[in-house]
Amino acid sequence: GAGVSQSPSNKVTEKGKDVELRCDPISGHTALYWYRQRLGQGLEFLIYFQGNSAPDKSGLPSDRFSAERTGESVSTLTIQRTQQEDSAVYLCASSPQRVADYEQYFGPGTRLTVT
Amino acid sequence: RKEVEQDPGPFNVPEGATVAFNCTYSNSASQSFFWYRQDCRKEPKLLMSVYSSGNEDGRFTAQLNRASQYISLLIRDSKLSDSATYLCVVKAYSGGYQKVTFGTGTKLQVIP
Repeated sequence: GAGVSQSPSNKVTEKGKDVELRCDPISGHTALYWYRQRLGQGLEFLIYFQGNSAPDKSGLPSDRFSAERTGESVSTLTIQRTQQEDSAVYLCASSPQRVADYEQYFGPGTRLTVT
Repeated sequence: RKEVEQDPGPFNVPEGATVAFNCTYSNSASQSFFWYRQDCRKEPKLLMSVYSSGNEDGRFTAQLNRASQYISLLIRDSKLSDSATYLCVVKAYSGGYQKVTFGTGTKLQVIP
């Protein structure tokens, strides 16, 4: 079946521009996560959605970052006024339930480069 | 102290060797534990869950020590294809939702 998809796969943008990254989770998955991974680094948690609400936004690094989810499906991560330190791979993952035992399924990521 | 800590490595081992990684966690209320594998420039994928009684999947064995708050991954008879970064994942219910924490990963390089 279809896995988690993300678009675009690559994005190059100029410093100061806004970008939108999209995630399409596996159909029926209620939990959705966004992570950031800088080159050679570990995964940095950004935000978690349960349905359309975000009970944990603690990982968003600044108010330039925001995310929303609609229809308990697609999620968009928006970065305003991009900075060079925003360059990273942004990974989205979904999970069937809120129950702790379910694995997360990751999308291929969006590689963001801010020039 | 980090919530989840791993030795970043790299662990360079010859083919056929046995290698073990540990991962410590700080939240004693953590409920679920996993090992993920991440290949270079790829997304993480589940390797195995870690059960209280320990579990084995072929050459891979995972164990949980709740008293000392760590999990381990043992790889026997290492293959070149095992070269990857191994991520420890800890989940805990907090405030009505599940909090997922990834370790920064341990890099394994299996050498011919």
